Amino acid sequence: AQSVAQPEDQVNVAEGNPLTVKCTYSVSGNPYLFWYVQYPNRGLQFLLKYITGDNLVKGSYGFEAEFNKSQTSFHLKKPSALVSDSALYFCAVRDADSGAGSYQLTFGKGTKLSVIP
Amino acid sequence: DGGITQSPKYLFRKEGQNVTLSCEQNLNHDAMYWYRQDPGQGLRLIYYSQIVNDFQKGDIAEGYSVSREKKESFPLTVTSAQKNPTAFYLCASSPGARGVYEQYFGPGTRLTVT
Repeated sequence: AQSVAQPEDQVNVAEGNPLTVKCTYSVSGNPYLFWYVQYPNRGLQFLLKYITGDNLVKGSYGFEAEFNKSQTSFHLKKPSALVSDSALYFCAVRDADSGAGSYQLTFGKGTKLSVIP
Repeated sequence: DGGITQSPKYLFRKEGQNVTLSCEQNLNHDAMYWYRQDPGQGLRLIYYSQIVNDFQKGDIAEGYSVSREKKESFPLTVTSAQKNPTAFYLCASSPGARGVYEQYFGPGTRLTVT
């Protein structure tokens, strides 16, 4: 079985400060990892993904994420937060090696990011 | 203008009525998905379809039904058997169901059943 944990329901950060949204995962094989963002009453927008290769992945809107296999983590980061980054962030995992799991994307429960002016 | 459309944005129904949510994509994607989102619970997969005329149950399929008669369309019916249907429903698509593809999401339909 595959699972994702986002240990913080909410993260508050001051505008201009660096931000981190945490994600840990569990899969039986190798992971494909994704980050999405959701603004109120909207669908999810894809930010970035890790498939293989470089552990530091760069994505949209200045976001990046670091894959750490030993800690089974995929934390989302941004060097300087903007008020417009305030939204709900979801981490998701797919097991690259599992028959049934390779079809299904499992989402975390989401972390609400608030950037304070 | 490519993308996924869901209609309507808001839907209200009386308990005991079936209701169908629309999802259309013009991205030429093979795979389509339906998720349910409840506050604090993330997204849960209801059904997915890898190809026309084929679909599989997700984690919470009970009380829902789908069809995939055309590549671009994947409607979801919420039946009266669904015990707690009030939720935000999201449709998504991807080039394939397996592997490295990210999913593209529609704007969602908020269903309220009273």
